[in-house]
Amino acid sequence: GNSVTQMEGPVTLSEEAFLTINCTYTATGYPSLFWYVQYPGEGLQLLLKATKADDKGSNKGFEATYRKETTSFHLEKGSVQVSDSAVYFCARAGGTSYGKLTFGQGTILTVHP
Amino acid sequence: NAGVTQTPKFQVLKTGQSMTLQCAQDMNHNSMYWYRQDPGMGLRLIYYSASEGTTDKGEVPNGYNVSRLNKREFSLRLESAAPSQTSVYFCASSEAWGEGGYTFGSGTRLTVV
Repeated sequence: GNSVTQMEGPVTLSEEAFLTINCTYTATGYPSLFWYVQYPGEGLQLLLKATKADDKGSNKGFEATYRKETTSFHLEKGSVQVSDSAVYFCARAGGTSYGKLTFGQGTILTVHP
Repeated sequence: NAGVTQTPKFQVLKTGQSMTLQCAQDMNHNSMYWYRQDPGMGLRLIYYSASEGTTDKGEVPNGYNVSRLNKREFSLRLESAAPSQTSVYFCASSEAWGEGGYTFGSGTRLTVV
């Protein structure tokens, strides 16, 4: 079936540190890939997306590249801020699951000043 | 502001009680979804509606029913609440097939005692 696996958290960083959150997906079909962010007490917001192999999604300093050869979509940011503290979800849609999003389990990120 | 509106935001139920969670979107999206979010398990799809007039089971449909009242509204009903249904519930909507990503509501925090 379709699944998404994220690195387990929580992740704790100091401000201005480099961030990587790993995400891999099952290779069924040709899915679109997403990163969502959830701030405390809020719903999920789309952070970035990529719809085909080698695409790079980017937003607010975050980037992720669709790697078909490694079935990965790792999230990176060069210099995190305290305001980036949130839960990050990797997700896939399409392929054999049509429009239904399948989420990873989420990674809690805490950034300290 | 355009988006997905969920009501109520909080609810406490006694075991065996029933309730309906309401969801409405004003983006003219075809597809709507109900997810539940539990610690360490990410988001799991309960039911979805690919288009007005259709509904289908997701990953965890037991104990729930849904109604796609019209294109805007998609409700989730718990007929006889159980403590295992304590969770945060999110409604979302998307263009057909969700390839562009979902828009989420802010969630309903439900506690069943």
